[in-house]
Amino acid sequence: GAGVSQSPSNKVTEKGKDVELRCDPISGHTALYWYRQRLGQGLEFLIYFQGNSAPDKSGLPSDRFSAERTGESVSTLTIQRTQQEDSAVYLCASSLEIAGVYEQYFGPGTRLTVT
Amino acid sequence: ELKVEQNPLFLSMQEGKNYTIYCNYSTTSDRLYWYRQDPGKSLESLFVLLSNGAVKQEGRLMASLDTKARLSTLHITAAVHDLSATYFCAVFNFGNEKLTFGTGTRLTIIP
Repeated sequence: GAGVSQSPSNKVTEKGKDVELRCDPISGHTALYWYRQRLGQGLEFLIYFQGNSAPDKSGLPSDRFSAERTGESVSTLTIQRTQQEDSAVYLCASSLEIAGVYEQYFGPGTRLTVT
Repeated sequence: ELKVEQNPLFLSMQEGKNYTIYCNYSTTSDRLYWYRQDPGKSLESLFVLLSNGAVKQEGRLMASLDTKARLSTLHITAAVHDLSATYFCAVFNFGNEKLTFGTGTRLTIIP
């Protein structure tokens, strides 16, 4: 079946512009996560959606970052007034809890470059 | 706050050799995941370890979990070039249902 998809795959934007990144999770997966990965670094948690519960926004680095999710489907991560330090790969993952296992399936990522 | 440390961060090894990557974490958990990431690619799930003493093997890779020591290992046997990648461990926190990732180990296999 289809995996997690993300769009665009690459985005180059000028400093100060707003960007929207999209994630389509695996159908039926109730949980959705956004991560940021800077070049040569590990994954940095940004935000977590679980069903209809209030999202866990504890990883968002500033108020320029926000995310929405429509039900248990598509999510968009918005970065306003982009800065050069926002340049990174943004990864989305979805998961479904089965018998206590919360395995996350990752999308291909969006590479954001802020010039 | 859960912290996850991997070592080494970089590993260069010759084909045919054996080596182990270590993943230490700071708080109790019995859910540990290993992922592989090829350059420019996303993360691919390798193993899910669900209990103390769990051991899983796939080809030349074997992962184990010791929840009492808060330690997981990823052992590579008779390395081959196509194992070159970055390997991440991640620990699941039941309290907030989040994964915390280690820093990654960049593995390079030299012919």
